Amino acid sequence: NAGVTQTPKFRVLKTGQSMTLLCAQDMNHEYMYWYRQDPGMGLRLIHYSVGEGTTAKGEVPDGYNVSRLKKQNFLLGLESAAPSQTSVYFCASSVGGTNTEAFFGQGTRLTVV
Amino acid sequence: SQQGEEDPQALSIQEGENATMNCSYKTSINNLQWYRQNSGRGLVHLILIRSNEREKHSGRLRVTLDTSKKSSSLLITASRAADTASYFCATVGRGSARQLTFGSGTQLTVLP
Repeated sequence: NAGVTQTPKFRVLKTGQSMTLLCAQDMNHEYMYWYRQDPGMGLRLIHYSVGEGTTAKGEVPDGYNVSRLKKQNFLLGLESAAPSQTSVYFCASSVGGTNTEAFFGQGTRLTVV
Repeated sequence: SQQGEEDPQALSIQEGENATMNCSYKTSINNLQWYRQNSGRGLVHLILIRSNEREKHSGRLRVTLDTSKKSSSLLITASRAADTASYFCATVGRGSARQLTFGSGTQLTVLP
């Protein structure tokens, strides 16, 4: 059972470069989330999606874009990477509704130099 | 700003002792959840408590919720070295029920 899979696991970018992080889930979940985790800050919500073709902004959306063209995939894009985007990024998914748990991927460690 | 704040930020105990972590939040919630994160790994769901519940148990875990004080506590009984991890509370708010918002976490170290 794969669950939630994030690609890649590690990446180093130069300032100004672009990249896309891929999140794939095989549980037929409606909701998907992208978080970033910085030391001492816990997890902060970047963007989320409540279904195929829908996206919404979270707490820290600036500098990121997302797409949910297929139900099982949620892409996070950085158009012009900045050192402030150095972080560990986590994707999560849930069945949907309110009283459900979220399942997390293993994370992507991104360094912008 | 983040919805939940955990207290303490770090906790170190001996194996066999109980560990208690607290979480406070700011706005009305639909439910509150606790997650665990081992170093370098993703988060794993532990337990969910609804806003109309006051206490819930799961194995060695006991969660309480006081909506009047906007606070929750997680108790781990008879701790083991393998319980060493970071623990996060997360809330699903009323009116923003689609967002799962996390606190900053408690780092628990259980010494053998």
